[in-house]
Amino acid sequence: GQNIDQPTEMTATEGAIVQINCTYQTSGFNGLFWYQQHAGEAPTFLSYNVLDGLEEKGRFSSFLSRSKGYSYLLLKELQMKDSASYLCAVPSGGYQKVTFGIGTKLQVIP
Amino acid sequence: EPEVTQTPSHQVTQMGQEVILRCVPISNHLYFYWYRQILGQKVEFLVSFYNNEISEKSEIFDDQFSVERPDGSNFTLKIRSTKLEDSAMYFCASALDRGAEAFFGQGTRLTVV
Repeated sequence: GQNIDQPTEMTATEGAIVQINCTYQTSGFNGLFWYQQHAGEAPTFLSYNVLDGLEEKGRFSSFLSRSKGYSYLLLKELQMKDSASYLCAVPSGGYQKVTFGIGTKLQVIP
Repeated sequence: EPEVTQTPSHQVTQMGQEVILRCVPISNHLYFYWYRQILGQKVEFLVSFYNNEISEKSEIFDDQFSVERPDGSNFTLKIRSTKLEDSAMYFCASALDRGAEAFFGQGTRLTVV
């Protein structure tokens, strides 16, 4: 089965950089997703990592280390609208079942 | 931009009643999913559907649940006899390919009273 751990809450200042960590245990690795979820809304896709290393996409970057079962999401130049939950998720061996972490609720303060 | 649409946005039902939640996935997508999220908890996988059949389901998806793709566009989740603990936000999602990013609908908030 899959197990995902991530911090439940973080606070950061507008304009700063924040790193949200995720560790996972999975019986077969098929990549790792990051989603953003604003309160009361649906998750929206941020990134998908299947190979080790850092992938940058604008202000958001995602890093993966398969050997360590570890990923992080890096948010730069934080804006107030970045206040949301960030969900780490891993698909099952058949890709069909995606297990989500509890999500890290990020609060951006002025 | 194509999007997944769900109806209704809110549904209140009495315990023991049947409910049908409806979804229209993105038209060229092939993989369809239902997830639920109980208030304050994590998003939980319910079921995936591909090629007109269930491809995987979770332990939550018991005999009270069923899914259908009655025509080329709709994808439905039926709960036969609702329980109080079925109260949650239900999200439909679709993907072009397995392992690809899933696009989520805005959800149906189901309240069982």
